[in-house]
Parts: sequence; C-alpha cells; structure tokens
Amino acid sequence: ETGVTQTPRHLVMGMTNKKSLKCEQHLGHNAMYWYKQSAKKPLELMFVYNFKEQTENNSVPSRFSPECPNSSHLFLHLHTLQPEDSALYLCASSQTPSYADTQYFGPGTRLTVL
Amino acid sequence: DAKTTQPPSMDCAEGRAANLPCNHSTISGNEYVYWYRQIHSQGPQYIIHGLKNNETNEMASLIITEDRKSSTLILPHATLRDTAVYYCIVRAYNTDKLIFGTGTRLQVFP
Repeated sequence: ETGVTQTPRHLVMGMTNKKSLKCEQHLGHNAMYWYKQSAKKPLELMFVYNFKEQTENNSVPSRFSPECPNSSHLFLHLHTLQPEDSALYLCASSQTPSYADTQYFGPGTRLTVL
Repeated sequence: DAKTTQPPSMDCAEGRAANLPCNHSTISGNEYVYWYRQIHSQGPQYIIHGLKNNETNEMASLIITEDRKSSTLILPHATLRDTAVYYCIVRAYNTDKLIFGTGTRLQVFP
C-alpha cells in the first residue's frame, strides 16, 4: 500500500464510450502524474500536475483529458479511444516535481478498448 | 537524462543475495540514481535512491561506485516475492519525469 489509490482497477470500453479514471493520494503531496504502460513497452509519462496546475503534457492526444480539482485527486477522462490505447494507466504522486522527491505509484487501471 | 544499461534478466536462489547491476557512464554530478521494481501488472514500487553515497533501507542496499558510473542494487535475502522487473533510473535535476527503460527481470527460484 503506497498511499495512492486508483479506480477502477479494470475497465473495458468501446470506442464510442466516455469513461473516467480516478486517482487519489493520501500522502499530502502536491504533484501528481499520469503514466501509460503499453504491452512490452516502458512506462511513458503523459501529464504532470503541480499544485493543481498542469505543468507538462507529453504530446498526448486530445482524446485523453486530465483534470486535477485539488492536490489529492487526479482524473483522466477518456473519449473516442482507439484499440491501441489499451494499456495499464498509472497514477503517481510526489511532494513536488523535483528530481529529488520520490514518486509513489498507484496499482494502475488496466484499460481495454474494444 | 543519462542512459542506463541493465542486463535483461537474472536468476537468484531464494535466501541468497540478489545483486542487480546498472551502468550509467554518462551520469552528471547532480543526477540521482533511483531504483524501482514492478511486479507483474502492478504499479512500480519505489525501492531506494542515492546521489553519491551508498544507501540502505529496509528493502535493499544501493552501492554506487566512486566514479558514479555504475551502481548495484542488493537484495540481501531474496524471496519468491522479489520476482519482478527492476528498473534503474538516472534522474536529472531539471526534469520532473522518471524515464523507465526495459529493466532487469529477476527470477527468484526455490
């Protein structure tokens, strides 16, 4: 248990559906992240939020829309996804985005797009 | 970020020490070495990190060579639950991201 929770743990959706992934951290951190891990590929950073403000978008398609209402919660809104978007989506948090602060990961949401 | 090189796989007998090497010959003086592991289909788990000195915590020890061009993660008494992919990551001072490579798949056998 890292103090970072993600729901749902598994999600199956069609290409026309709209769904949302939720992340919550109980560590009092100010920075939150979304990563994507496709099959047999390394983790890729998608978004970074610091004090609720987005500080990095790593060229992510607009069908992925993040939302950070406060420092403890992070959402990833999904719409009109493609089958190649099937992956493990991981949330992480750290005290700040500094390279000296450790990032702690949640268990991930396994997404399957049909 | 400095590039890291790790062996793709290693085996270790249960109860023995697992020594996982990592080369980072282009590391800069202000870059940290982080180690994470990922058990199948779970989120990466932080293990340990260091800058110049050797570090130890309840999970592992991190040995960094004096020239900082390589490091070794030591799991002193490996168990079957330590079977995972282990990632060595060098993190630059001006980045907020962790750049994961392909890691070392450690298989602990009975």
